[in-house]
Amino acid sequence: EDKVVQSPLSLVVHEGDTVTLNCSYEVTNFRSLLWYKQEKKAPTFLFMLTSSGIEKKSGRLSSILDKKELFSILNITATQTGDSAIYLCAVEVSGTYKYIFGTGTRLKVLA
Amino acid sequence: GAVVSQHPSRVICKSGTSVKIECRSLDFQATTMFWYRQFPKKSLMLMATSNEGSKATYEQGVEKDKFLINHASLTLSTLTVTSAHPEDSSFYICSALSSGTGSYEQYFGPGTRLTVT
Repeated sequence: EDKVVQSPLSLVVHEGDTVTLNCSYEVTNFRSLLWYKQEKKAPTFLFMLTSSGIEKKSGRLSSILDKKELFSILNITATQTGDSAIYLCAVEVSGTYKYIFGTGTRLKVLA
Repeated sequence: GAVVSQHPSRVICKSGTSVKIECRSLDFQATTMFWYRQFPKKSLMLMATSNEGSKATYEQGVEKDKFLINHASLTLSTLTVTSAHPEDSSFYICSALSSGTGSYEQYFGPGTRLTVT
């Protein structure tokens, strides 16, 4: 059975800290891995990763994929209270366009 | 980016009634849309794949007679929760598949919070 697992499930840090969120997957036909940030409503897109070893970066956020070890990490440096959210990892199944979402990591950044 | 809307954003209904949720792609055509369900503090669970002009494909464990999906046009899919019960209370999110130059991406709607009393 295809599955996506994220760790930790929740995390509390202070402003300025750096956090690393993990996503591991077991998916039969992998096409891409996506990271989303979810606050009160629907998820907002952060990154899509398809190739191993190529870091994607957007401001203080960065992500990288390891297709050999079947995982990805999302790094957030110099965290701010506005980074508090649930971070979701999803894997797209090749040929179906379906996304399998991970359990999510709930991040809380304290002032 | 592409915009997907959902209506209503919140709905409260009584047990036994049916509720229809609409998902529209506003500036692109989507032959495929997806319906997800999210319980409090949990991740998104894919319920079904909605295909324009054909029957929806439901994930294992999702009752197709309970969650009726109709994708009658290239910009609209509807999810009807029939004979709703309190355990159907949840956050329902749709996404629409947009195809660009050889690439595909899902765009999410803002979600509908359903409360069944």
